[in-house]
Amino acid sequence: SQKIEQNSEALNIQEGKTATLTCNYTNYSPAYLQWYRQDPGRGPVFLLLIRENEKEKRKERLKVTFDTTLKQSLFHITASQPADSATYLCALGGSTLGRLYFGRGTQLTVWP
Amino acid sequence: GAVVSQHPSRVICKSGTSVKIECRSLDFQATTMFWYRQFPKQSLMLMATSNEGSKATYEQGVEKDKFLINHASLTLSTLTVTSAHPEDSSFYICSARVRRGLPDTQYFGPGTRLTVL
Repeated sequence: SQKIEQNSEALNIQEGKTATLTCNYTNYSPAYLQWYRQDPGRGPVFLLLIRENEKEKRKERLKVTFDTTLKQSLFHITASQPADSATYLCALGGSTLGRLYFGRGTQLTVWP
Repeated sequence: GAVVSQHPSRVICKSGTSVKIECRSLDFQATTMFWYRQFPKQSLMLMATSNEGSKATYEQGVEKDKFLINHASLTLSTLTVTSAHPEDSSFYICSARVRRGLPDTQYFGPGTRLTVL
């Protein structure tokens, strides 16, 4: 069966450090992978998309890598700030999948 | 751009009543909208895919007669929870697929918190 795992349910780091979140999957061959941010009681907000033929994508303080051999994506937030505290979801997609599949998310807390 | 709204944001109802939730794409046309439900600390669970002008496609285990979906226009989809029961209490979120743009990037509404007493 299809499975998506995000490294841990919660991650706590100090302000200014780099947060690294992991998304592993099995039994999929996604054409792309996306990361979303979700704040409590709100809908997810799209952050980044990376395609299967891309190794890395950057947007401001965010960096995403995608290793289709390891079936893994890493999501980095550099120079983290308390405002980055939220739950981050990874999602896999592609025409063969027909829809997006979401992980359970990692709750990130950045403390001052 | 790509703003999706939901109404209401919060609803409390008595068991046995029906509740309608609206999902609107405000600045773009969405041929496809999705309805999810989410329990605390759980992932988004896709309930159904709503295509404008055609019947919704429901995921396995989701009762189509209980969760009625109507996608009457390119900017509006509605989810009606019929004869709601306490176990239907959840956070319901819609999303819309941008008609032109990145593949299957979905823009989400703010969600509706349903509490059935």
